[in-house]
Amino acid sequence: DTGVSQDPRHKITKRGQNVTFRCDPISEHNRLYWYRQTLGQGPEFLTYFQNEAQLEKSRLLSDRFSAERPKGSFSTLEIQRTEQGDSAMYLCASSLERGRGNTEAFFGQGTRLTVV
Amino acid sequence: DQQVKQNSPSLSVQEGRISILNCDYTNSMFDYFLWYKKYPAEGPTFLISISSIKDKNEDGRFTVFLNKSAKHLSLHIVPSQPGDSAVYFCAASARYTGNQFYFGTGTSLTVIP
Repeated sequence: DTGVSQDPRHKITKRGQNVTFRCDPISEHNRLYWYRQTLGQGPEFLTYFQNEAQLEKSRLLSDRFSAERPKGSFSTLEIQRTEQGDSAMYLCASSLERGRGNTEAFFGQGTRLTVV
Repeated sequence: DQQVKQNSPSLSVQEGRISILNCDYTNSMFDYFLWYKKYPAEGPTFLISISSIKDKNEDGRFTVFLNKSAKHLSLHIVPSQPGDSAVYFCAASARYTGNQFYFGTGTSLTVIP
């Protein structure tokens, strides 16, 4: 399977704990996005990378959130001191930016986080 | 502020008929529009896209129409099949936002056999 892969699929954690999610994009894709989706809403942008550079972060990404893409391949999203409001589906997507215009992003299956 | 809006939370259509899903946007800088389909507990699956230089794009049973003056797009599915039952999200992006995608809140389509 050469699609976007996310791990774990589900995570239950106690409030105050740290969690880390991993995303493996489609191998030739140079852009990687993190989104968050809550019930009844569409995905909301968190951040994106062009290769290893983090180019934009949403205001939704508080200082408890950090994302990395150290070698321009896989990415991790860490949430420190989790709160119940962090419970959501965390989606990763990737796309191939060729500099010729817009292109579609392909999503992984998401990581469902539940903070209890 | 929601820049992409899907005002119909749900839609039911008889199998074989046409499904029309609507989407409105407010940002005139958007130049690329996409439709995604999502099943429960899965990530969105890309369906079809359209650039702002076009007003129609077709792929099999799926056609997207773009009306820039009205800031409106629609997805037509014909004929509708039970397997099309899912939540459909409209998304938009602009080059100046680095292709960050703005999503609507989704329309849940049910195709009745």
